[in-house]
Amino acid sequence: KAGVTQTPRYLIKTRGQQVTLSCSPISGHRSVSWYQQTPGQGLQFLFEYFSETQRNKGNFPGRFSGRQFSNSRSEMNVSTLELGDSALYLCASGHGTGSDTQYFGPGTRLTVL
Amino acid sequence: AQSVTQLDSQVPVFEEAPVELRCNYSSSVSVYLFWYVQYPNQGLQLLLKYLSGSTLVESINGFEAEINKSQTSFHLRKPSVHISDTAEYFCAVSYTESGGSYIPTFGRGTSLIVHP
Repeated sequence: KAGVTQTPRYLIKTRGQQVTLSCSPISGHRSVSWYQQTPGQGLQFLFEYFSETQRNKGNFPGRFSGRQFSNSRSEMNVSTLELGDSALYLCASGHGTGSDTQYFGPGTRLTVL
Repeated sequence: AQSVTQLDSQVPVFEEAPVELRCNYSSSVSVYLFWYVQYPNQGLQLLLKYLSGSTLVESINGFEAEINKSQTSFHLRKPSVHISDTAEYFCAVSYTESGGSYIPTFGRGTSLIVHP
């Protein structure tokens, strides 16, 4: 089975721009979660999508949004980028229950200049 | 709300020495506990998990963790580490809410540095 893939792997943007990141989950997984990882804040939960519906949301501003398609692929969008948005963005897929293992992609490294 | 505290941000150790990475969680309900490992430039991958039953869980590469419900701890141990164990380790807790969804919470990570 192919693992979770994320594109692009690296991205450089300037302040004020917007960005879209993509995540393809493992086949058969209906849940996709997004995390922001920074050295100072660690791993922070952004949101989770399950069967095209946002089921859980972390404590991030509305500039961060996402969606999930019928094939479970997910996109995350960040508008009006700020310097503090520089981070590794990780996506994870799973079956969507509390006991479930999350399978992570390699991440997208976003640098905002 | 559940929370996870990893008590050490960095643990240096010499090769072949034993190691313990500490994790405490707070929750008044039944929880599921996980340890994930992240190697440089990679995503996280599951090391081991506790769902129910035996308090001791083991991984295939020699790590083990034991849940202590009275102390709400889930420390990760290995009796003899290798250079290749150098990585970031994350403790995580989740549970199933009444609505059927879950919100996993991760600790801030412990960097295990194994010296030759």
